[in-house]
Amino acid sequence: SAVISQKPSRDICQRGTSLTIQCQVDSQVTMMFWYRQQPGQSLTLIATANQGSEATYESGFVIDKFPISRPNLTFSTLTVSNMSPEDSSIYLCSAGTDTEAFFGQGTRLTVV
Amino acid sequence: QKEVEQNSGPLSVPEGAIASLNCTYSDRGSQSFFWYRQYSGKSPELIMSIYSNGDKEDGRFTAQLNKASQYVSLLIRDSQPSDSATYLCAVRGISGTYKYIFGTGTRLKVLA
Repeated sequence: SAVISQKPSRDICQRGTSLTIQCQVDSQVTMMFWYRQQPGQSLTLIATANQGSEATYESGFVIDKFPISRPNLTFSTLTVSNMSPEDSSIYLCSAGTDTEAFFGQGTRLTVV
Repeated sequence: QKEVEQNSGPLSVPEGAIASLNCTYSDRGSQSFFWYRQYSGKSPELIMSIYSNGDKEDGRFTAQLNKASQYVSLLIRDSQPSDSATYLCAVRGISGTYKYIFGTGTRLKVLA
């Protein structure tokens, strides 16, 4: 199984600022995803990170708010831009192949 | 209709009993099915995957798939208090970005 390192693990940010979350996988994977999980809720897919091209966003998520990069097969970043308290959540990076997907430890973001 | 549906629970079972968790999905083209376990404050961890109709056993866990009924289940035999967690069903299709879609999760409580 792949080991996924995600950082920061948590942060407290001022509204209006941006935070970039990094995700590093220890092996080459075909797919990388970014999810958001509100407390007590399930995972909501934000986007699929595509290597060398623009990410594929789910309904309700836009590139201007959540720009994503994936310069190679093992690394991706998610930026939460112009943050508001409604962006407070856990953000999870996931990476996998055709047969399985694993998760990083998550980033707990609090916007004040 | 949600793409992946689960009863949110909580499902309470006594220690040593069989816990039965259920999941239905809407996309008939789905090919891969997964069960994840998530402890409070932790990221999801993969328990089992299943791709063909029938049963798949791994230790105390059995996954069951019925594609005709669009139904996936997870049985946990000899339930232990350490099995208390939220169980997430995930489904992966064959088209588009091959993304993993998660259900809302079922919270399981195993009573000692």
